[in-house]
Amino acid sequence: DAMVIQNPRYQVTQFGKPVTLSCSQTLNHNVMYWYQQKSSQAPKLLFHYYDKDFNNEADTPDNFQSRRPNTSFCFLDIRSPGLGDAAMYLCATSSPSGRNEQFFGPGTRLTVL
Amino acid sequence: KQEVTQIPAALSVPEGENLVLNCSFTDSAIYNLQWFRQDPGKGLTSLLLIQSSQREQTSGRLNASLDKSSGRSTLYIAASQPGDSATYLCAVTQGAQKLVFGQGTRLTINP
Repeated sequence: DAMVIQNPRYQVTQFGKPVTLSCSQTLNHNVMYWYQQKSSQAPKLLFHYYDKDFNNEADTPDNFQSRRPNTSFCFLDIRSPGLGDAAMYLCATSSPSGRNEQFFGPGTRLTVL
Repeated sequence: KQEVTQIPAALSVPEGENLVLNCSFTDSAIYNLQWFRQDPGKGLTSLLLIQSSQREQTSGRLNASLDKSSGRSTLYIAASQPGDSATYLCAVTQGAQKLVFGQGTRLTINP
């Protein structure tokens, strides 16, 4: 089945220790997104890639970076995680040539100790 | 700036009831509207997508309507079941693929 896969599902890191979250997709979609969702809040868009073009949201902290080495993979790097970065991180994809429907992965729950 | 509001924030009903979840948005210049389901600790599952030119979409026991001019959408769930218990999020797509989410409605179906 075509899908969006996120690894790991659960990640524990220490305060200030860099961490990388991974997303892959078999949908061959042009656009990949990273969202942050804190407890009982709506998902908040951090950035997205349209093919190789990176689009950062204005209020995304510099601490968050992303890489998209190819169509299938996208990574979220948190350079120095703080306690406030503990959240669920959701990856999504869409295809502008279709209905522009976004498909989400299962998420990575990040805990910062 | 687009704002999406969902009312109520939480809803608890007995099994078998029909129910309606509401979503409103402030800017009618949307590309489409999606309804998602989120189970605790999980990702989002897309339920229905309504293009801006459409009025409604149906999938099984779910029916979503869109009134773009008034900035409203509803999600109707027929014959509710305990397995429908989850948080339901609505989101609108504007411009370049950007989704703006509501805060969600936490639905509990009591057996």
